[in-house]
Parts: sequence; C-alpha cells; structure tokens
Amino acid sequence: DAKTTQPTSMDCAEGRAANLPCNHSTISGNEYVYWYRQIHSQGPQYIIHGLKNNETNEMASLIITEDRKSSTLILPHATLRDTAVYYCIVRVATGRRALTFGSGTRLQVQP
Amino acid sequence: GAVVSQHPSRVICKSGTSVKIECRSLDFQATTMFWYRQFPKQSLMLMATSNEGSKATYEQGVEKDKFLINHASLTLSTLTVTSAHPEDSSFYICSAGQGEKLFFGSGTQLSVL
Repeated sequence: DAKTTQPTSMDCAEGRAANLPCNHSTISGNEYVYWYRQIHSQGPQYIIHGLKNNETNEMASLIITEDRKSSTLILPHATLRDTAVYYCIVRVATGRRALTFGSGTRLQVQP
Repeated sequence: GAVVSQHPSRVICKSGTSVKIECRSLDFQATTMFWYRQFPKQSLMLMATSNEGSKATYEQGVEKDKFLINHASLTLSTLTVTSAHPEDSSFYICSAGQGEKLFFGSGTQLSVL
C-alpha cells in the first residue's frame, strides 16, 4: 500500500466545511484512496473511496487531483459529531485484505 | 452499509482468566475477518487475519497461543485472549470485508485487573 501523509490535527468551526488533505505521491495506478474515521472509543467508520474521479455520498465528498498524488476529503457542513480521527488509506480495492492505519488527522469541530 | 457486530463492548477480568470476543457479519458472509488492537492514543494495529475453515494468520510479534482465533462459520469469528494479563488491556476491534470495503465492529475494551 502506498504511503500517505496527513496533518496531525485540524480545527473547524461548526457548520463550516471541513477540508482534510492527504498526500499520496507514490500511489500506483490500481490503488484507490479510502477515507475512514474513528470517533472516540468506537470502531472505524467507512466514509468514501475513489480511484481518480471525484466522489460524493451522503457523508462527504472526495476530491482527487488529476495526477492522483493528493486528495481532499470534504465534510460540507461539519457538526460536533464529526469530531474524530480521519484516516486516509491508499490501497487496491478489495475487502479481502486488511487496512493499514497511519496516525490520521484529528479533526476537532468547534462550537 | 454492511454491519459488523462485536460483543461484548466492554469486559473487565482478573489476571489469569480467559476472555472471548465475538465478531459477526450481520448481513453478509465473510470468509476473511481481521482483528486489530489499539492502545490509548495510538493507531490500530493488525493482529491477525481470520480465515473461515482454516488457521488464522498472525502478524509478527503476536502470540498465536495467547490470542486464539476461531472462524467457524462465514459470519462469525472469535478472539480468545488466554491467561490475560494487565498488559493485554486494550481496545480490540474486528473487521470484515464486503466488496471493495471493510467494515468494523464497535470494538471491545478489555481491562485486565
């Protein structure tokens, strides 16, 4: 799995968009960008994943640069419940291999 | 999304006893499940891969005789922490894959006194 780099922590005001960056300059052509989050004392939660096109679902949007070396997870209207550690993981698209977690970005949504 | 159920959510036990943690895929079948461990303020670390009908695969440094894994059906994997000691106190999380995604249980907080 390609290595990813994320900021250690970020703050965001409640109601504003939270933009979480991730660098993955060594990504391979068949590797996807996955985002998970872990709210305190819970298991990780799947958010979104994509290969090269931008993706959107009910939770978030994923913007991947054209060269695929970086991406941004966007939470359009952050709430206090979005306070969590967000993990950007790059890997082939399969549910048959474990995920390797880095240290992630700790997002604190402020009231 | 798919649901992975983990039980119990919290367990406190005495040193030397064994503890079993169950992980179920509720609405899908999983031939492979994964067990993670997480210490306070650290990230998740993969412990082992559970394979239905065959032996589990353990990561380097994880004692297979201490952390017994059984994957007896396509929807159930169990992790038994044998002869638990205080240093085994941790947050244990299971995961199962469906399609291109992995889904996680809610975790089990184990405290060994």
